[in-house]
Amino acid sequence: EVQLVASGGGLVQPGGSLRLSCTASGFSFSTYWMNWVRQAPGKGLEWVANINQDGSEKNYVDSVKGRFTISRDNAKNSLYLQMNSLRDEDTAVYYCVRGIHYWGQGTLVTVSS
Amino acid sequence: DIVMTQTPVSLSVTPGQPASISCKSSQSLLHSDGKSYLYWYLQKPGQPPQLLIYESSNRFSGVPDRFSGSGSGTYFTLKISRVEAEDVGVYFCMQTLHLPTFGQGTKLEI
Repeated sequence: EVQLVASGGGLVQPGGSLRLSCTASGFSFSTYWMNWVRQAPGKGLEWVANINQDGSEKNYVDSVKGRFTISRDNAKNSLYLQMNSLRDEDTAVYYCVRGIHYWGQGTLVTVSS
Repeated sequence: DIVMTQTPVSLSVTPGQPASISCKSSQSLLHSDGKSYLYWYLQKPGQPPQLLIYESSNRFSGVPDRFSGSGSGTYFTLKISRVEAEDVGVYFCMQTLHLPTFGQGTKLEI
């Protein structure tokens, strides 16, 4: 069974940093593109970033470029999102997604003073 | 960026009746490989989205056959032949021809 468990969310002040993690199991992690997608409270879905199988290709939505960094550790079956210079509008549930098929439960990030 | 526009915003359906949701893209989603990179998801209350349809018209594993997808180019449709109570939630379309973008969602109520 595919499982994606995201963690690392919490309350942070504007300008602060957080590192999200996603631990994968039930499939061969190193063979899939991975994505982060977020959903602000009561709002729609926004793709944030993705990374290819070996981490050599990364893409970001314009609103997080230069602030967020996606990475992975295939030996640990883990995906990461380093979030710096956080803004109020980054408040959302962040989902870890395998390709386009499987979504984890998400972790809530709240940016507020 | 490719803009995805869904209609309607909300939909109230009697169980057993059909439902239809449209998704229009600002650019063609037809790749040179002949596939349209358009996906449909259902997000039930309190849950992450679940994939229903991939590449415009292919049902994902375990998805009931009352769900069907169609369309190509810039216009796509998700149809539910007979709505059931478990189908309530928000439906999203998404494209991956370029960097992924989502429609704004369609809320289906019974």
